[in-house]
Amino acid sequence: QSALTQPASVSGSPGQSITISCTGTSSDVGGYNYVSWYQQHPGKAPKLMIYDVSNRPSGVSNRFSGSKSGNTASLTISGLQAEDEADYYCSSYTSSSTRFGGGTKLTVL
Amino acid sequence: EVQLVESGGGLVQPGGSLRLSCAASGFTFSSYWMSWVRQAPGKGLEWVANIKQDGSEKYYVDSVKGRFTISRDNAKNSLYLQMNSLRAEDTAVYYCARGGRAWQPIDPWGQGTLVTVSS
Repeated sequence: QSALTQPASVSGSPGQSITISCTGTSSDVGGYNYVSWYQQHPGKAPKLMIYDVSNRPSGVSNRFSGSKSGNTASLTISGLQAEDEADYYCSSYTSSSTRFGGGTKLTVL
Repeated sequence: EVQLVESGGGLVQPGGSLRLSCAASGFTFSSYWMSWVRQAPGKGLEWVANIKQDGSEKYYVDSVKGRFTISRDNAKNSLYLQMNSLRAEDTAVYYCARGGRAWQPIDPWGQGTLVTVSS
């Protein structure tokens, strides 16, 4: 039950776009369209930002978008804002579990 | 408003037991898969277990199989995690969350309850 692979950190300036990758295998990310992305600010519970690869829950800014190609899913944040600075985690359904990525710290410069 | 409120965390010695509870409100509890996810201090998220709407299916991360048991009481809108044979590496904030299986993403999450395993 290995974790999905995410970069440890990414950074960008306000107004720019960044992309966070999430690499798994054909048993998780590549095998199902059930990839989710979560945002977590320090000391807070995670918040769902994207589900089913590319769907946004009600209330989530359209600056957040998701996609998938093969065994790699991606989260793109456009028009970076200071409030986007947080940890981001991907997750994927598998036939017998839920698998999370190791997390990516986003720094807004 | 959907609310998930965990309780039962605390300090326990290695080898000890603890039972976490999660009180759910604001949605039809019996219609959703439910999950426990934990986060060790300064570390990432780790899925622990989930349970089907009627309790007939349960899944666990390998590291807790045989030690932890997830259960639910739909009449009380409550989710539980019985944790036995606790180890130092089980120290974490434990989150209760709605969903966690296929078309039910994990959302929302409770505020979490801290479990510390130490002598």
